[in-house]
Formats: sequence, C-alpha cells, structure tokens
Amino acid sequence: GIQVEQSPPDLILQEGANSTLRCNFSDSVNNLQWFHQNPWGQLINLFYIPSGTKQNGRLSATTVATERYSLLYISSSQTTDSGVYFCAVEQNNAGNMLTFGGGTRLMVKP
Amino acid sequence: SAVISQKPSRDICQRGTSLTIQCQVDSQVTMMFWYRQQPGQSLTLIATANQGSEATYESGFVIDKFPISRPNLTFSTLTVSNMSPEDSSIYLCSVELAFSYEQYFGPGTRLTVT
Repeated sequence: GIQVEQSPPDLILQEGANSTLRCNFSDSVNNLQWFHQNPWGQLINLFYIPSGTKQNGRLSATTVATERYSLLYISSSQTTDSGVYFCAVEQNNAGNMLTFGGGTRLMVKP
Repeated sequence: SAVISQKPSRDICQRGTSLTIQCQVDSQVTMMFWYRQQPGQSLTLIATANQGSEATYESGFVIDKFPISRPNLTFSTLTVSNMSPEDSSIYLCSVELAFSYEQYFGPGTRLTVT
C-alpha cells in the first residue's frame, strides 16, 4: 500500500512564529487532505488539496503531485493551533480509502 | 460539508463485553467509513460501511470482532465485540460527500476497556 510520511513528528513554537509541515507520499494520489485534531480529539478539515495551492486565513497548503509531497504553512501561530496535524491520501484506484500519515504534534506556547 | 454525530461520546467497559457505536449524518451520503485511533497513534481504517450489504474490511480487521451495519444512507453502527484492554481507542466514523473526495469525521467515541 501507499506510504505517507510526515515531518517533523513534533514541533514546539512560540506564539507568533511561522512553521511548515511536510507530507511525503509514495505513489500517485487522487485525494489529499490536511486535518487538525484538536485536544478533544475532533478532526477538523483544513484543506482538500490533491494539487495546487490553497489559502485559508493564516493557513495555506501546497501539493506538488508530480513530486509526491504536500506542505502546510501556519503563519503567526496561536495557542489554539496546538494539536496534531494529519495528512491523508487516497491512492488512485483505492476505492475511497484514506491512508493517514503519522501526524505532526504541534504545541504553541504563549 | 456534513454534520456527523456519534453516540456514545465515551464509555468505560468491562473486558469480554460488547459496545455498539452509532453514527448519524444529517444528509444522505454514499460512502461511510469506520476508523480506529489507538492512544498516541494515527488513524487506521477498519472498514467501509456499505448500504444494504456486508461491510468491506481492511487487513487485520474481521467481521466477528467488528460487525458493522448500515441500514440506510444516513446511519451506521460499529460493534466492538468481546472487548479486551487492547481495544481501548478512539473510534471515528467518517463520510465522503457525493461528487467529492473530501471526507468529514464525526467527533469520535473514546472507549476504555478495563
């Protein structure tokens, strides 16, 4: 099956700092999503981005499908950004099955 | 998007018992899924819940342990059978909207088995 690797596994930031999270995947995909899991366990959709670039407020994401990676940018981080960020991909012809990366655990300190 | 609810939100169960988790969506969806998230880990797909037919299970998960029902396009249940402490996890249902590859997740059921 497809392999999904996220880096870094852990990240500690001071409030106001910027960060870049990376997701590498081992095969062609027709779906890539970024999620934020808050401290209460709820998974929140951030981006559906199988290719190209999207922005939503302080967050933006870029997927370069031909090179099999995606980046999530967080600017001017806030304590509410803390939690775990997951990248998930759906391999071509995989029947809608999402494969999750290991996640990046982010802590933003005040 | 879709509004997804799960019941119960959390439970503490005795070893050897079974728990049924419900997932309700506010609109008809074609695809519904069940995931498990063990403590400190990522999410793993258990099965795809098929409406009107048997669920499709991923490697390592079997129907006898995780029976799934999906009687209609807005509702599904997952039962965790004959529980052991290793079943302590968060169980999440997700849906994929029609004409979209995006998946949305319910709030999860936090299960502790003692």
